[in-house]
Amino acid sequence: ELKVEQNPLFLSMQEGKNYTIYCNYSTTSDRLYWYRQDPGKSLESLFVLLSNGAVKQEGRLMASLDTKARLSTLHITAAVHDLSATYFCAVDRGAGGYQKVTFGTGTKLQVIP
Amino acid sequence: EAGVVQSPRYKIIEKKQPVAFWCNPISGHNTLYWYRQNLGQGPELLIRYENEEAVDDSQLPKDRFSAERLKGVDSTLKIQPAELGDSAVYLCASSRTGLAGDEQFFGPGTRLTVL
Repeated sequence: ELKVEQNPLFLSMQEGKNYTIYCNYSTTSDRLYWYRQDPGKSLESLFVLLSNGAVKQEGRLMASLDTKARLSTLHITAAVHDLSATYFCAVDRGAGGYQKVTFGTGTKLQVIP
Repeated sequence: EAGVVQSPRYKIIEKKQPVAFWCNPISGHNTLYWYRQNLGQGPELLIRYENEEAVDDSQLPKDRFSAERLKGVDSTLKIQPAELGDSAVYLCASSRTGLAGDEQFFGPGTRLTVL
């Protein structure tokens, strides 16, 4: 059974600081997605990582994937309040080229002005 | 372009009652997913449709849950009878294809409370 663990589960950080969220998973996969969820809202796709060494950046967020270590990171640079949300990684173990994702536990990020 | 539409947004029922959720995916999206999200957790896949065919329902509790997507467009998820543990947010998502890397677009969800 695939297990996807994120840490930390909660993160409170000041504006302007840098931090990294980690996503570890238990079985082989080279496809991983990151999502953002605002309180009471639905999920928004952030990044799609489809190979070992993949790196994607959008604004103050950068995601990477190391399939050998079964690890993905979401790095936050110079955090701003608008980044406050819950971030989920989702590991794709679908067969035949189709998606079947298992979501992590989520990391609730609070950026303090 | 309209996003994924779900209704109702909120539903409160007593245990043992039936309940149904409706989802209309983004136009042109062949793949439709139903997820359940418990409080403080990530979504869990219940069922995936490719057009009108349920291609992955391995995690759907079939004793009380059922789903349909009759014309390959909108879909209904039903619970009968509901139990206290079914309280959760039910999310519908769609993608153009179900292929790896294809972005999933999520609806706002239906928050179910079973009393």
